[in-house]
Amino acid sequence: DQQVKQNSPSLSVQEGRISILNCDYTNSMFDYFLWYKKYPAEGPTFLISISSIKDKNEDGRFTVFLNKSAKHLSLHIVPSQPGDSAVYFCAASSTGNQFYFGTGTSLTVIP
Amino acid sequence: NAGVTQTPKFRVLKTGQSMTLLCAQDMNHEYMYWYRQDPGMGLRLIHYSVGEGTTAKGEVPDGYNVSRLKKQNFLLGLESAAPSQTSVYFCASSYSIFAARETQYFGPGTRLLVL
Repeated sequence: DQQVKQNSPSLSVQEGRISILNCDYTNSMFDYFLWYKKYPAEGPTFLISISSIKDKNEDGRFTVFLNKSAKHLSLHIVPSQPGDSAVYFCAASSTGNQFYFGTGTSLTVIP
Repeated sequence: NAGVTQTPKFRVLKTGQSMTLLCAQDMNHEYMYWYRQDPGMGLRLIHYSVGEGTTAKGEVPDGYNVSRLKKQNFLLGLESAAPSQTSVYFCASSYSIFAARETQYFGPGTRLLVL
């Protein structure tokens, strides 16, 4: 049973606009969340993370928001650039080693 | 500094054949992981290791074995390949359990096709 869900398989956004990628989780024990970015034929690379003690974390153009009551997190990319076109995975963990990944959202930024 | 490397990049197997996937990291990381990625399933953890000589089961361990004889290497073995093991396999590593909550460094992946 998928504990982390990304319900939008794909998203297209115009260059310069905001991209919003969503992620939902079911396990209330998850207390650490990450976003990874993946280009074709490459492994995922870490993008940004957030702890459950926060509701927002910002790193340059990337901001992650966490709504614990809704078990929902989102990644905002502002402004979107063509180089941001990739597959984005969210991942979650509780204490311990194992991360649970979502199915990914393919973002296309149109020049 | 090569990071995390995986060998081979692509392999075709017949049902019942065996093979070993090799992962190597040069970052002196303690933790290493094997994931598989399937369409519509995301990345799922197969096995992981918290240090040389240790291994543990992840979410989907059946049909796989692993070994961590050297700190820098993590091997994933398929003793009798099945078509259900057709997937893209990713290896990852992290410095420690605390660093693991920050990031894991992934290899480029191995694409395996079992006929």
